[in-house]
Amino acid sequence: KAGVTQTPRYLIKTRGQQVTLSCSPISGHRSVSWYQQTPGQGLQFLFEYFSETQRNKGNFPGRFSGRQFSNSRSEMNVSTLELGDSALYLCASSLARGLERGHTGELFFGEGSRLTVL
Amino acid sequence: AQSVAQPEDQVNVAEGNPLTVKCTYSVSGNPYLFWYVQYPNRGLQFLLKYITGDNLVKGSYGFEAEFNKSQTSFHLKKPSALVSDSALYFCAVSRGFSGGYNKLIFGAGTRLAVHP
Repeated sequence: KAGVTQTPRYLIKTRGQQVTLSCSPISGHRSVSWYQQTPGQGLQFLFEYFSETQRNKGNFPGRFSGRQFSNSRSEMNVSTLELGDSALYLCASSLARGLERGHTGELFFGEGSRLTVL
Repeated sequence: AQSVAQPEDQVNVAEGNPLTVKCTYSVSGNPYLFWYVQYPNRGLQFLLKYITGDNLVKGSYGFEAEFNKSQTSFHLKKPSALVSDSALYFCAVSRGFSGGYNKLIFGAGTRLAVHP
C-alpha cells in the first residue's frame, strides 16, 4: 500500500508570494492533518480535514488555509509569505477522526514539503 | 493547556546499553500518548502509543514505554540500543475525543545518538 505522498518536496519562494502544497493520503484514509516543523517552534498542528470539512484548527494566522477534496486529497495554502514561514510542512493521514473504523490513534506522515522563503 | 516536555535535547548511549528518552505531559482529562521517530529529511514514523489498558506498552523496533499517571510521564525505553536507533524522537499527546485524536501536541524532541 502506498504511503502518504506530499508534493512538491522542496520549493523556494520569495516574501509576499503564495504557495500551495499537496498531500495524497493512504488509500482509504479519510482524515488529513497538517503540521509545521521549524527549528524554533518545533512541530505545530495547523489543521485537520475530514469529509472535506475542517474539523480542528491550530493557532496560525488566516494566511494559512487548506481544503480537502472528495477523494480525501488535501491541499494547504499559505498566502503573503513571510520569512518565518520557512519550514518543513508535514501531512499526516489516518483512517478516521476517532477510534473507530479501525483507527487506533496512529498517524501516518508523509516526508514533507520543505519551503524556503527568501 | 496541554503541553509535553522532553527535558533532554540529546541522549548519548553506547551500542548494546539500555536507553531511556524522557517525556512528561500536562493535559486535562485522560491523555492519549504517542512516540514518533524522525530520521534525517524524512517524515515521522509511529513507534508506540498509550490509549488505555496496561501501563507498559510495546512498540516497533524493540521500543517500549511506561505510562505513569502519578508522575505524568511516558518515558521511552529500549533494553539494548543499536547504532541504527540514532534519530530524533518526539513524544506527543492528544486529548482524544474531547480535543481531537489527530491533533497532536508534540514535545521539542530528543536527539538520540548511539555510539558504536
